[in-house]
Amino acid sequence: DAEITQSPRHKITETGRQVTLACHQTWNHNNMFWYRQDLGHGLRLIHYSYGVQDTNKGEVSDGYSVSRSNTEDLPLTLESAASSQTSVYFCASSPGQGGWNEQFFGPGTRLTVL
Amino acid sequence: GDSVTQMEGPVTLSEEAFLTINCTYTATGYPSLFWYVQYPGEGLQLLLKATKADDKGSNKGFEATYRKETTSFHLEKGSVQVSDSAVYFCALSEGYGNKLVFGAGTILRVKS
Repeated sequence: DAEITQSPRHKITETGRQVTLACHQTWNHNNMFWYRQDLGHGLRLIHYSYGVQDTNKGEVSDGYSVSRSNTEDLPLTLESAASSQTSVYFCASSPGQGGWNEQFFGPGTRLTVL
Repeated sequence: GDSVTQMEGPVTLSEEAFLTINCTYTATGYPSLFWYVQYPGEGLQLLLKATKADDKGSNKGFEATYRKETTSFHLEKGSVQVSDSAVYFCALSEGYGNKLVFGAGTILRVKS
């Protein structure tokens, strides 16, 4: 079955370190998204991509970057981790750019920055 | 910009009680509206959606109607079960691009 996976599921790191969170989908979806989930804020969009070599900033993109070298993967990099980036991170994908399309979510990565 | 407001939780109900979770939105155009559910330790999954005014989305006994005049998309279920305990997110997507704007989420706890 097609799926979307994230790794690692849990990560503890120190302030100032670079961290990369992986996201891999096997649906062949063009659209991929990264969100962070924080209590009281729901999910907020970090970055998104509509296809290979395409990346765009979302609402809370400062301190994060993404790259899209193939259809299946959209890794999220924290350039220099900060305590404010402690959160649960979700990757999602969707088949089309119409607003009616469902997004399919991965299981999440819980990141703690000490 | 676009925004979604949900009733604050947690909402605690007894099994077989009626559920309403309020959701209102602000958007400049005609968004698609969604309810996503997150079970403990899992990612989000689509519960139901509606793409135009007066549409009713339904799934697993849950329903929500797209009310343009009141900019609302309230989630209802006639008889909740313990297995419905989860976090429920209202969300919208406007225009081209399929980006979602989420509400803060409402925790639902159902007691047996």
